[in-house]
Amino acid sequence: GQQLNQSPQSMFIQEGEDVSMNCTSSSIFNTWLWYKQDPGEGPVLLIALYKAGELTSNGRLTAQFGITRKDSFLNISASIPSDVGIYFCAGQVRDFGNEKLTFGTGTRLTIIP
Amino acid sequence: DVKVTQSSRYLVKRTGEKVFLECVQDMDHENMFWYRQDPGLGLRLIYFSYDVKMKEKGDIPEGYSVSREKKERFSLILESASTNQTSMYLCASSTGQGAVYEQYFGPGTRLTVT
Repeated sequence: GQQLNQSPQSMFIQEGEDVSMNCTSSSIFNTWLWYKQDPGEGPVLLIALYKAGELTSNGRLTAQFGITRKDSFLNISASIPSDVGIYFCAGQVRDFGNEKLTFGTGTRLTIIP
Repeated sequence: DVKVTQSSRYLVKRTGEKVFLECVQDMDHENMFWYRQDPGLGLRLIYFSYDVKMKEKGDIPEGYSVSREKKERFSLILESASTNQTSMYLCASSTGQGAVYEQYFGPGTRLTVT
């Protein structure tokens, strides 16, 4: 199946730094979702986006639905140790009867002491 | 809060065994999904279900089957486990109503086939 291009693949930052990552697709999506996965755990939904241009925040996290509907961005401000993990984007066409998600390849975030 | 639970966090089985992975959700969701996650390959959809007794093949259904006898429960079955089915298995659910399409995941089952 298709995977979305997510970049960067990994990030090494210091605590307190801001983080930016993005996800791009050759296809148009109607919904973009961002998940975080801790080691050995299932992905946890962070933010859901439903309209092109939409900007949504969840605490220190902000995500945007690209105008072209082919990309999405996630920013984390003032990173803290618990932000460590793998971040996945996921796109959905949102047709009736087609609830399948297409996932990004993931961005692994590491905080350097 | 949506809760998706999986019957085991860790499982070790022998080659050729029949393996059952159980998933239960408590939010009355219509849709349920089974994925496997492997390093470098990301999340891959095995099977999904839009309703009780309904099932649809995902991207990698070979070697797996599923059962959905009740709305809240979706089972993944490995008919004859093989070593290449060693993986992290993730169950997810979503509502099929209105504009809410987010999938919520369980904690995962790490299966090792020896």
